[in-house]
Amino acid sequence: DAGVTQSPTHLIKTRGQHVTLRCSPISGHKSVSWYQQVLGQGPQFIFQYYEKEERGRGNFPDRFSARQFPNYSSELNVNALLLGDSALYLCASSLLSYNEQFFGPGTRLTVL
Amino acid sequence: KNEVEQSPQNLTAQEGEFITINCSYSVGISALHWLQQHPGGGIVSLFMLSSGKKKHGRLIATINIQEKHSSLHITASHPRDSAVYICAVRLNSNYQLIWGAGTKLIIKP
Repeated sequence: DAGVTQSPTHLIKTRGQHVTLRCSPISGHKSVSWYQQVLGQGPQFIFQYYEKEERGRGNFPDRFSARQFPNYSSELNVNALLLGDSALYLCASSLLSYNEQFFGPGTRLTVL
Repeated sequence: KNEVEQSPQNLTAQEGEFITINCSYSVGISALHWLQQHPGGGIVSLFMLSSGKKKHGRLIATINIQEKHSSLHITASHPRDSAVYICAVRLNSNYQLIWGAGTKLIIKP
């Protein structure tokens, strides 16, 4: 049974560009959460989606947006990239919004 | 002051030693998670607990809700236990996970 998958694994962009990161949850899981982990720091919560609705949003600017599709996969979009957006972006899925979360391998984004 | 504080930040020990990592929090929580992150980024959930104690193999996690404190113990530590161990709490209010900064553990053979 596949775990949480994320794509791409690595990505290099330049300032001002836009990026879309993708996440597929564990089969049967209905909730997806996104986290940003800057090098040397703990992950920071960005969004949680459950049943295609946003259930929580962290302290991130409006340049960050996300959505969840009918098959429960999710996309994280970041517009007008800044150097400070360089980080590991982690996706986690859970059965419901408050259950134990299972993490994907992450997408490492580098903004030049 | 951070809502979730871990100690120590770094820990180096010899193989076989008993390891304790501590986590204190200052907010109302519905659950506390212990997670392991290896170099390269992969995160594995070790425990989710809301009271008492849980054990899985050589790992033991305890939580004291009244004192807002949790500990992760590793018995008979092994070099493969070397990783960053992160404590994260789930808020009562919105189920958001608030993360500690992590404890970098190195076990020397």
